[in-house]
Amino acid sequence: GESVGLHLPTLSVQEGDNSIINCAYSNSASDYFIWYKQESGKGPQFIIDIRSNMDKRQGQRVTVLLNKTVKHLSLQIAATQPGDSAVYFCAENSNDYKLSFGAGTTVTVRA
Amino acid sequence: EAQVTQNPRYLITVTGKKLTVTCSQNMNHEYMSWYRQDPGLGLRQIYYSMNVEVTDKGDVPEGYKVSRKEKRNFPLILESPSPNQTSLYFCASRKGNTEAFFGQGTRLTVV
Repeated sequence: GESVGLHLPTLSVQEGDNSIINCAYSNSASDYFIWYKQESGKGPQFIIDIRSNMDKRQGQRVTVLLNKTVKHLSLQIAATQPGDSAVYFCAENSNDYKLSFGAGTTVTVRA
Repeated sequence: EAQVTQNPRYLITVTGKKLTVTCSQNMNHEYMSWYRQDPGLGLRQIYYSMNVEVTDKGDVPEGYKVSRKEKRNFPLILESPSPNQTSLYFCASRKGNTEAFFGQGTRLTVV
């Protein structure tokens, strides 16, 4: 079946460095992608999204890149802070407004 | 404040005892869904609803029921809970092909 997956389950980053979290998707018909952040004991929170007619979108300290040729999505976090420690999920929107999620990447920021 | 509210946050129950987890959203969203989150598996969709009186199965619907009698409410019903339904549950709502808003989660333990 089609799925969204993340390349690495964990990522350890030095405070102040940039983080890159990767995600592979397999549904070429997906037209919308979202990155979520989930802190311990909380529900997923929206970080940034991108539609399939774009290849890059920037927010505050975050950038999402979309490569439709290889079905790859990435989230870049600039100057990673301790508050960025969380689980990050990518999600793709396929038919019927269904969001499919990857397994998540746990980001740990080292002081 | 725009939000998705789930209740209860924590629940311990015994096998076979019917339970309902409530979900309410105040954003007038048409689309609502339920997910379960298990370690290493990300978020998997249980059921979704595209509008009042319209519900459909997600990826893991076995053992669950839902109803959508009003636009704001989307309860999840476990008629006869079993230990393999021990999980963290999230309700989400969205307006069309946009970001989904998540509740705070319900941690269910079935013994």
